[in-house]
Amino acid sequence: AQSVTQPDIHITVSEGASLELRCNYSYGATPYLFWYVQSPGQGLQLLLKYFSGDTLVQGIKGFEAEFKRSQSSFNLRKPSVHWSDAAEYFCAVGADDYKLSFGAGTTVTVRA
Amino acid sequence: SQTIHQWPATLVQPVGSPLSLECTVEGTSNPNLYWYRQAAGRGLQLLFYSVGIGQISSEVPQNLSASRPQDRQFILSSKKLLLSDSGFYLCAWRGLAGPTGELFFGEGSRLTVL
Repeated sequence: AQSVTQPDIHITVSEGASLELRCNYSYGATPYLFWYVQSPGQGLQLLLKYFSGDTLVQGIKGFEAEFKRSQSSFNLRKPSVHWSDAAEYFCAVGADDYKLSFGAGTTVTVRA
Repeated sequence: SQTIHQWPATLVQPVGSPLSLECTVEGTSNPNLYWYRQAAGRGLQLLFYSVGIGQISSEVPQNLSASRPQDRQFILSSKKLLLSDSGFYLCAWRGLAGPTGELFFGEGSRLTVL
């Protein structure tokens, strides 16, 4: 079965600084990888996804992620964060079934 | 366009009482439907998923159950709530068959069991 690890529970970053959120997955075949963002008390919104092709994928809100098969990673990045990026971020992995497994999430705090 | 509705948004229930959370999807047909629970610091736990009317797969044994009486309706139930059932419940749907389709989430239902 597939699984996801997000090593960082909480990250604090200054507005305008760069952000990188780590995600490691475990799956024996080609994974399908997603990053979602959740604002407080809300549902989840898809930022980007990867399932084939170029390993650097661009998403909404200026986010990008890079798939590295050798490291089983799919890290999310943003060059310059805005205060509105404060939220919880979830990495997820899908397999050749109907299920999507999520990591525990990383909470991002943006300080002025 | 497709929309997903979940209700109630907030619920406070005593231990031992029943539960019914409802989720409906509009603007699509034969979606895959999912119930996730989110507990603080523990990410999203898949509870149930359904690929069609009356077809329910359970991921975690517990005192919750799910039903899909209509194509675009997914209900999460319990006969007797436990304290440990408190959490944020999210319904989601996936339109594309197969694993590459993204999940679209509802706004969630926050359940507090006292």
